[in-house]
Amino acid sequence: LAKTTQPISMDSYEGQEVNITCSHNNIATNDYITWYQQFPSQGPRFIIQGYKTKVTNEVASLFIPADRKSSTLSLPRVSLSDTAVYYCLVGGSVGGYNKLIFGAGTRLAVHP
Amino acid sequence: SAVISQKPSRDICQRGTSLTIQCQVDSQVTMMFWYRQQPGQSLTLIATANQGSEATYESGFVIDKFPISRPNLTFSTLTVSNMSPEDSSIYLCSVDTAGTQYFGPGTRLLVL
Repeated sequence: LAKTTQPISMDSYEGQEVNITCSHNNIATNDYITWYQQFPSQGPRFIIQGYKTKVTNEVASLFIPADRKSSTLSLPRVSLSDTAVYYCLVGGSVGGYNKLIFGAGTRLAVHP
Repeated sequence: SAVISQKPSRDICQRGTSLTIQCQVDSQVTMMFWYRQQPGQSLTLIATANQGSEATYESGFVIDKFPISRPNLTFSTLTVSNMSPEDSSIYLCSVDTAGTQYFGPGTRLLVL
């Protein structure tokens, strides 16, 4: 299963765009890239998932280059409520389902 | 997506006792997963529970310590047996729906 590397922490200010990059050099052909957000004392919340190029939803965008060895989560105009830990995962399909291994995550702090 | 509930939401237990955590999902799912999140740490996968078969445990986790039941497609239990203070963690269940995992709110366990 692919291992991911992402910054331990990041700081930003309200209204700014935040880009969190994740490296996954050993990603397999059938792996998807998934990002989760976790607030203290809550379970991780699904943000976005992609396989290649660009994916956008109402919350974020995910940019994946052609070699798929990295991905960037983009959060437009962050607010204080976006302060959380963000996890990048690559899912290996094992027996028909995605087995997710969590890395350390990126602790994002949004300041007023 | 899937709506997942867990019971209890939190508990304080004495060492040497056991606690059973329940996970209920609002739709039928094939795979359910149990994770542990120790204080200040990322999530660690304990086991994968497929309905109708024995759970598959990750390295470092054994059935005698963390027995899992999966009686039907919407429910699972995880028991933390013979607890010690080192078992103090948040325990989370998740389900795989169409290739995306969704997490429950977690059960916060404190062992004294």
